[in-house]
Amino acid sequence: EDQVTQSPEALRLQEGESSSLNCSYTVSGLRGLFWYRQDPGKGPEFLFTLYSAGEEKEKERLKATLTKKESFLHITAPKPEDSATYLCAVNSGYSTLTFGKGTMLLVSP
Amino acid sequence: DAGVTQSPTHLIKTRGQHVTLRCSPISGHKSVSWYQQVLGQGPQFIFQYYEKEERGRGNFPDRFSARQFPNYSSELNVNALLLGDSALYLCASSPVLGTLQETQYFGPGTRLLVL
Repeated sequence: EDQVTQSPEALRLQEGESSSLNCSYTVSGLRGLFWYRQDPGKGPEFLFTLYSAGEEKEKERLKATLTKKESFLHITAPKPEDSATYLCAVNSGYSTLTFGKGTMLLVSP
Repeated sequence: DAGVTQSPTHLIKTRGQHVTLRCSPISGHKSVSWYQQVLGQGPQFIFQYYEKEERGRGNFPDRFSARQFPNYSSELNVNALLLGDSALYLCASSPVLGTLQETQYFGPGTRLLVL
């Protein structure tokens, strides 16, 4: 059974204080690892797809990396508008996604 | 370009009732998936449809059913509602299956409250 574990559950940062979110996964055959951002009461917003170990992708202050067992979402010099829940998911065959519980990020001014 | 749309946005039902949720995928996307998200948890997979055929089903009871129409829109039906069915129901679409173009794009969700 595919499993995704995200840590920490919650993270509070000061504006400009860089940090990383972790996503550990167990999957029989990785067809893709996905990062989403979710604001309260809204649907997840797609951020990145990673397919193979060593792959990295960047978007503004966010950078996602992938190893054979985990993925990291690095947040550089975050701003208050980066506050959200960040969800990690793996593709477990035929595009069904298995999600972690998410990391709730709060960035204070 | 319009994203995934869902209706209604909010819904209040009582136990035992039936509910139908609707989803329109991004134009050109042929696959639709449904997820249930309870507060504090990640989304949990319910169904996947591709080219009007069911391609996957999650661990949900038979009270849950879905279908996809010729225009690729989809409906999720839940019978005999229970209090535990209260959740945010998410629809996601993707262009094709079985290729690297499998990224799923989510709609805003339907918030269902069962009293």
